[in-house]
Amino acid sequence: GAGVSQSPRYKVTKRGQDVALRCDPISGHVSLYWYRQALGQGPEFLTYFNYEAQQDKSGLPNDRFSAERPEGSISTLTIQRTEQRDSAMYRCASSLGSYTEAFFGQGTRLTVV
Amino acid sequence: EDQVTQSPEALRLQEGESSSLNCSYTVSGLRGLFWYRQDPGKGPEFLFTLYSAGEEKEKERLKATLTKKESFLHITAPKPEDSATYLCAVSLTMNNNAGNMLTFGGGTRLMVKP
Repeated sequence: GAGVSQSPRYKVTKRGQDVALRCDPISGHVSLYWYRQALGQGPEFLTYFNYEAQQDKSGLPNDRFSAERPEGSISTLTIQRTEQRDSAMYRCASSLGSYTEAFFGQGTRLTVV
Repeated sequence: EDQVTQSPEALRLQEGESSSLNCSYTVSGLRGLFWYRQDPGKGPEFLFTLYSAGEEKEKERLKATLTKKESFLHITAPKPEDSATYLCAVSLTMNNNAGNMLTFGGGTRLMVKP
């Protein structure tokens, strides 16, 4: 596609529910990153995929957060038993290679009520 | 601890008034330093990558430079459409399994008045 696409753009969920956020990277990009961005701050790293392999998940806050990219393209970030502190903008980025510049999507704004 | 600090947090300029944004970093091993522009409600937009001290890159009214301790984003004769938040980020050599995992600074919010 023309750019990184994320869906939904906005998600409001009740505390305790599970949510799944989707990222469709730029076609042909092998690397995919998830970040979380608080208002007025820079993005913070969550996890990294090279093709379908999750090579780094050191930024995931706790075991309620997980991510997958089963066919090396679309990725899903899942948050189980959501809490209010999970409310944030979740951003996906992709890059052509492991060490090339990353291009960001528009993000998913998650609000937990 | 690896740190990226941007200053100032906010900058107001008149149209045509040139200035510089600063990004200072304290890291164990720099692979690359990245500048992004972020408009309200949008994702960060890639501007430049710098890899070694002394390197410079230009794009329209923007020029990025790099030293061993900091990077500057110079804005020459800015226009109102240059108003945005400018983010600096570093990629570290120690993160071999994390691709180009980026550690971001807090950003500088630039406002250019006509």
